[in-house]
Amino acid sequence: QVQLVQSGAEVKKPGTSVKVSCKTSGYTFTAYYMHWVRQAPGQGLEWMGWINPSDGGAHYAQNFQGRVTMTRDTSISTAYMELSSLTSDDTAVYYCARGYMTMVRGGLIIFFEYWGQGSLVAVSS
Amino acid sequence: SYVLTQPPSVSVAPGKTARIICGGNNIGSKSVNWYQQKPGQAPVLVICYDSERPSWSPERFSGSNSGNTATLTITRVEAGDEAGYYCQVWDSSSDHVVFGGGTQLTVL
Repeated sequence: QVQLVQSGAEVKKPGTSVKVSCKTSGYTFTAYYMHWVRQAPGQGLEWMGWINPSDGGAHYAQNFQGRVTMTRDTSISTAYMELSSLTSDDTAVYYCARGYMTMVRGGLIIFFEYWGQGSLVAVSS
Repeated sequence: SYVLTQPPSVSVAPGKTARIICGGNNIGSKSVNWYQQKPGQAPVLVICYDSERPSWSPERFSGSNSGNTATLTITRVEAGDEAGYYCQVWDSSSDHVVFGGGTQLTVL
């Protein structure tokens, strides 16, 4: 069965960086884009971007441009999300989510069938 | 950027029908997906392609999408349906995945 297992909770100081991992199993890692979504305490879902595990190409949400880097290691079927210059506003649960992406009538459709369990990142001085 | 608007909360009695709306400019031209999220858990896809149910989604869940409004309908609501619900689309103008702000469903 498809599984996405994320790294554990982290506490970071403002101005530092955090790297969250998402280890996958149960499917061909390079066949599906991996997305990252975060959720601040008591707030909604915020999309951060995706990485194509096949070639490493990434596309980031405008809100995170310049601060986020998504990478992967195909040898261990694992995706990573690194966020730099952390502030207290980055305190959130970070999820990886396997994206199902297809073109219908010339339009792209994306949804998320499988999610990791979430990784809490707390930023505090 | 594209905005999806959801009511913050909806309340319904057990056994009744809940309707959760998601508003967006000409959202009927997009494919809408819905997620259920219970406290402390990751979101779960319950509707994709406007109205299709994944194999794990109960038949009580259905979706529709037309004009400026998409709707998630839950019939014969149960206590276990109490959760947050989020709509989601792909916005080709900004090349972004967009989520609605979420609706908390309370079962009275």
